[in-house]
Amino acid sequence: EIVMTQSPATLSVSPGERATLSCRASQSISTDLAWYQQKPGQAPRLLIYGASTRATGIPARFSGSGSGTEFTLTISSLQSEDFAVYYCQQYNNWPPVTFGGGTKVEIK
Amino acid sequence: EVQLVESGGVVVLPGGSLRLSCAASGFTFDDYGMHWVRQGPGKGLEWVSLISWDGGRTYYGDSVKGRFTISRDNSKNSLYLHMNSLRADDTALYYCAKNQGAGYTSRHTYDYWGQGTLVTVSS
Repeated sequence: EIVMTQSPATLSVSPGERATLSCRASQSISTDLAWYQQKPGQAPRLLIYGASTRATGIPARFSGSGSGTEFTLTISSLQSEDFAVYYCQQYNNWPPVTFGGGTKVEIK
Repeated sequence: EVQLVESGGVVVLPGGSLRLSCAASGFTFDDYGMHWVRQGPGKGLEWVSLISWDGGRTYYGDSVKGRFTISRDNSKNSLYLHMNSLRADDTALYYCAKNQGAGYTSRHTYDYWGQGTLVTVSS
């Protein structure tokens, strides 16, 4: 099973600032990585797949990069609606599909 | 508009059984694989099970293998999760999620999710 590790667990950022979230896979997953955003009381929302392709309707301030074992989600200028928990997910080697433990982006 | 609506979550005794349902609409249900993903209280996401578009292939996470069974009825646009021998650590919000890719695909990402149904296993 591929283990996904996200860091940091919590990221404190001021509105308008840049946020950089990291995700590491325990073995190479090529670019078979997705990012999701989850707000309290809501289901997750797909942001990025294929490591860098934005899902339908996702604003351009969200970008993904990386390949192999190291991946990054960048939010270029945080808006109030972006404060949430973010999960990475690998789908290269399944079953099982595996998720990281999440990074909570909170208001500084 | 794509909609996924889960139901069936209740409080159940340890060792008990339950069937969850997910009613799908707004897309061609029998074109897509479907998943169950769960989230324990205050915890992260855990993949539970996958069923292929035609029901011919099913997969399970190790923590539920042998206890849970995923199924679908394409004539009713419905997905199911049959849960047996329930344990306290099965307590979670259970989401059904639509595979982003159609057919037999290895791209298991989820472009639509339901709002979840809560299963509580407790005596």
